[in-house]
Amino acid sequence: DIQLTQSPSFLSASVGDRVTFTCRASQVFSSSLAWYQQKPGKAPKLLIYPASTLQSGVPSRFSGRGSGTEFTLTISSLQPEDFATYYCQQLNSYPYTFGQGTKLQIK
Amino acid sequence: QLQLQESGPGLVKPSETLSLSCTVSGGSISTSTNFWGWIRQTPGKGLEWIGSIYNSGSTYYNPSLKSRVTISVDTPKNQFSLRLTSVTAADTAVYYCGRHVDSGSFYPLDYWGQGTLVTVSS
Repeated sequence: DIQLTQSPSFLSASVGDRVTFTCRASQVFSSSLAWYQQKPGKAPKLLIYPASTLQSGVPSRFSGRGSGTEFTLTISSLQPEDFATYYCQQLNSYPYTFGQGTKLQIK
Repeated sequence: QLQLQESGPGLVKPSETLSLSCTVSGGSISTSTNFWGWIRQTPGKGLEWIGSIYNSGSTYYNPSLKSRVTISVDTPKNQFSLRLTSVTAADTAVYYCGRHVDSGSFYPLDYWGQGTLVTVSS
């Protein structure tokens, strides 16, 4: 199985900040990685796939990059609605796996 | 707009079978090359992919659950279902159904149900 490790687990930031989350894989794979945003009590929402393409309707302040074993999600200027938990998921091979998440909190 | 809705018992007794359905509205479950999956979430283990089913009926399951899981499709009802046998407290989770969208050899989950909490307890 491909294990995904996200860092940091928690991040405190302010509106307007630029933040970057990292997702590291236990083995090399292509860009078959997706990023999701989850707010409390809601289902995850697809943001980016594969690795760098924004899902329709996702603001351009979100961007993704990476390949191999390291992938990043960046929010260029935090907005109040961005405070949530972010997960990466690899869809390169079964079983599909998720990272443990990064919780973005308001400072 | 595609919508997915999970349904089923919110409480299941230990050793019994958990059965959930996902009703798809706003589109056909048999459309093209999209396929369908089940995911669960617990505070301790986070998000866990349970398994997925293609329109052809082919299924892929998480090896950690494979001996206990069955996913099936009911095309006339526009539904797909999850059965998980011999449940324990460790199967207590929020269960989500979702659509894997065909984006060219890569299938992220672009639509999700709202999730349903299933508690395993006597």
